[in-house]
Amino acid sequence: EVQLVESGGGLVQPGGSLRLSCAASGFTFSNYWMHWVRQAPGKGLVWVSRINSDGSVTTYADSVKGRFTISRDNAKNTLYLQMNSLRAEDTAVYYCARARDVYSGFDYWGQGNLVTVSS
Amino acid sequence: SYELTQPPSVSVSPGQTASITCSGDKLGDKYACWYQQKPGQSPVLIIYQDTKRPSGIPERFSGSNSGNTATLTISGTQAMDEADYYCQAWDGIIVVFGGGTKLTVL
Repeated sequence: EVQLVESGGGLVQPGGSLRLSCAASGFTFSNYWMHWVRQAPGKGLVWVSRINSDGSVTTYADSVKGRFTISRDNAKNTLYLQMNSLRAEDTAVYYCARARDVYSGFDYWGQGNLVTVSS
Repeated sequence: SYELTQPPSVSVSPGQTASITCSGDKLGDKYACWYQQKPGQSPVLIIYQDTKRPSGIPERFSGSNSGNTATLTISGTQAMDEADYYCQAWDGIIVVFGGGTKLTVL
C-alpha cells in the first residue's frame, strides 16, 4: 500500500525556519517526481515545489522561491521541504504528493501537516 | 502567470448531473486533472489527462477539455459526492490549481 507520511510541522515565529519531511513507502520512491502543495486555512490548493526522481531538478512557485528548498533522500525514501524566512502568509497545511506521471496529476497525497507562522 | 477559474459553488439534486467548469487561456492545449477534497481529508485524483479515471474512481465521474474550458461531469450525483473540486493543469513546468468549486447536493 502506498503511503506518504508527513512530519515536522508546527508553530514558528515570523522569520523562522522549519523542515518538513515526507516518508514514503509501498512504492519505488526513486522512480517518481514528488511535489509539495499547500492549503491555507479555508482556502484552495496552491502548488509549492517539485523535484525530479533523482533530485537533480527542482522547481518552485514564485511565492517561495529563494526561501524554500525541496530535496530528497532516495536511500531513506524521504522527501523534504526546508522553509526559511517564514511569513504569516506561509501558514497552511502542507501536503506532499506523488506525481503519477509527467502530466498525469498527483495520485497519492500525504495526510497534510499544519505549519503556523505567528508571533 | 497562468490562471484557472472555477465557479465558487455548484448545486445539484441527488440523481441529477453536475457540471463543474474550469477556464484558462487555451486550456484545451494542455492536460487537465481534477481532484475531490472532502472536509478534513487530503485531495483525491479523480480525472487525469482530461478524461482518464484512476482505478477505483466511479464511472459517474467524467472529464472533457476543449478550447478554453475543461469540464468535470458527475452523472447520477450522490450525496457522497458533496465536496470541493479542484482543477489543475501545467503552465510549462509550473503546476496551477483552480480556486476550487464547492459542490452541494441538495
